Amino acid sequence: NAGVMQNPRHLVRRRGQEARLRCSPMKGHSHVYWYRQLPEEGLKFMVYLQKENIIDESGMPKERFSAEFPKEGPSILRIQQVVRGDSAAYFCASSRTWNDRGTYGYTFGSGTRLTVV
Amino acid sequence: AQTVTQSQPEMSVQEAETVTLSCTYDTSESDYYLFWYKQPPSRQMILVIRQEAYKQQNATENRFSVNFQKAAKSFSLKISDSQLGDAAMYFCAYRGYNTDKLIFGTGTRLQVFP
Repeated sequence: NAGVMQNPRHLVRRRGQEARLRCSPMKGHSHVYWYRQLPEEGLKFMVYLQKENIIDESGMPKERFSAEFPKEGPSILRIQQVVRGDSAAYFCASSRTWNDRGTYGYTFGSGTRLTVV
Repeated sequence: AQTVTQSQPEMSVQEAETVTLSCTYDTSESDYYLFWYKQPPSRQMILVIRQEAYKQQNATENRFSVNFQKAAKSFSLKISDSQLGDAAMYFCAYRGYNTDKLIFGTGTRLQVFP
């Protein structure tokens, strides 16, 4: 069981470029959550997806950010036209069912550290 | 809106000693879950312990235990027999029973001295 896999681990982008962050949930998990951790802060919820559906995107910035979780393949968090303030660690978590996230908490990946230069 | 507060940015403990990390939260909900996560330098978020609000008994996982005071909205983590490998950031987190998202505190950095 490989756990939640995120790649790349580190990503450097120039201002104005696009960043694509990938998350492969644990085997058998169909619920994916994205969180952002700014320096010296706790994680903040961004979006919750199930296969082919966005369930809750209340934490997503209204512009430049989007997320998807297609039927096949990993979940993708896309940030268009990145700015310095987007520099952060982005974490993905997954759970098997709606109830699991309470029973076990989430299973987190190791995050992608995005640096915008 | 729910909030989680960790008032100790940094704590230190001698190896083999006991340390307690504080966490308070604010909510109007009666059913919820509380968690402590450990984040070592590798950045991996590791679940340390969890507590269901409806359970009066404090959760325990080996050297880790919590003091859950529902009326006071307090959820502290006690680490006994501290080890060098316990050095990390520790985050307290809250999740409402019928919601999807975890709400995290700002974390406490724990240093363990030999």
